[in-house]
Amino acid sequence: QSALTQPASVSGSPGQSITISCTGTSSDVGGYNYVSWYQQYPGKAPKLMVYDVNKWPSGVSNRFSGSKSGNTASLTISGLQAEDEADYYCSSYTSSSTYVFGTGTKVTVL
Amino acid sequence: EVQLVESGGGLVKPGGSLRLSCAASGFTFSTYSMNWVRQAPGKGLEWISSISSSSTYIYYADSVKGRFTISRDSPKNSLYLQMNSLRAEDTAVYYCARAQGSIVGASTSLDYWGQGTLVTVSS
Repeated sequence: QSALTQPASVSGSPGQSITISCTGTSSDVGGYNYVSWYQQYPGKAPKLMVYDVNKWPSGVSNRFSGSKSGNTASLTISGLQAEDEADYYCSSYTSSSTYVFGTGTKVTVL
Repeated sequence: EVQLVESGGGLVKPGGSLRLSCAASGFTFSTYSMNWVRQAPGKGLEWISSISSSSTYIYYADSVKGRFTISRDSPKNSLYLQMNSLRAEDTAVYYCARAQGSIVGASTSLDYWGQGTLVTVSS
C-alpha cells in the first residue's frame, strides 16, 4: 500500500485560509468516505482533526474543514493562527481493510 | 479521561525481538478496535497493524507481515505488539491508537493516541 500524496509544505499569513491536498486512488480515498486528518506538533502524538471526510471530533475548531472530490481529499484551515503551525497528515481506509497515511505536510504560518 | 500508555521500547540488535505493551484506561477497552502506528525519526506516520474488539479480525501492513504479531488482553485492558526479526528500518516511535470508527474490525479513523515508545534497532 503506497502512502497518499500530500504537498511537502504549505504556508500562509495569519488570518488567511490554506488548503492541503491528499491524493490517493480509487482503492482508498476515492472508494470510501473514510478520510481523516491529523495534526502533529514536534515530539507529540498526532491529534485527530477531521474524520469521515468532513466531520469534527468533539473539541476541534470548525476552522478546520475537510472535503473530497474523486481520489483527492482536502483540508482547509480558515483564519490561520500561529498555533496551526504543525505537520498535517491525511489518512484513509483501504480496500484491503488496512489504513494508509499521507506523506505529511508542514504548515508554516508566516 | 481516555489514556493510552505504551511501554517496552528500547535498544535491540538486528534480528532480535521486542514486545510492546499499551495500557488503556478511561473507556471500555473491550468494545474498540485498536491499532499500532509507527513513525521513523524525521519521517511520516506509518500504520502497521489493527485488531478488532474481539480479536476476530487482525490486519497488518506488508512491511511487518510475518514478523510482527498484534494481540490484546481485554480483561487487562492491554494491547500488545510482538516484534520479531527486527531490522534497522523498524527503528521508530511506536504509538498505540484507538479506532474511533471501524469496518469489520478495520479502522476508519483513530481518535486517541498514546505518547509513543521508541524502538531502536542497531548493532
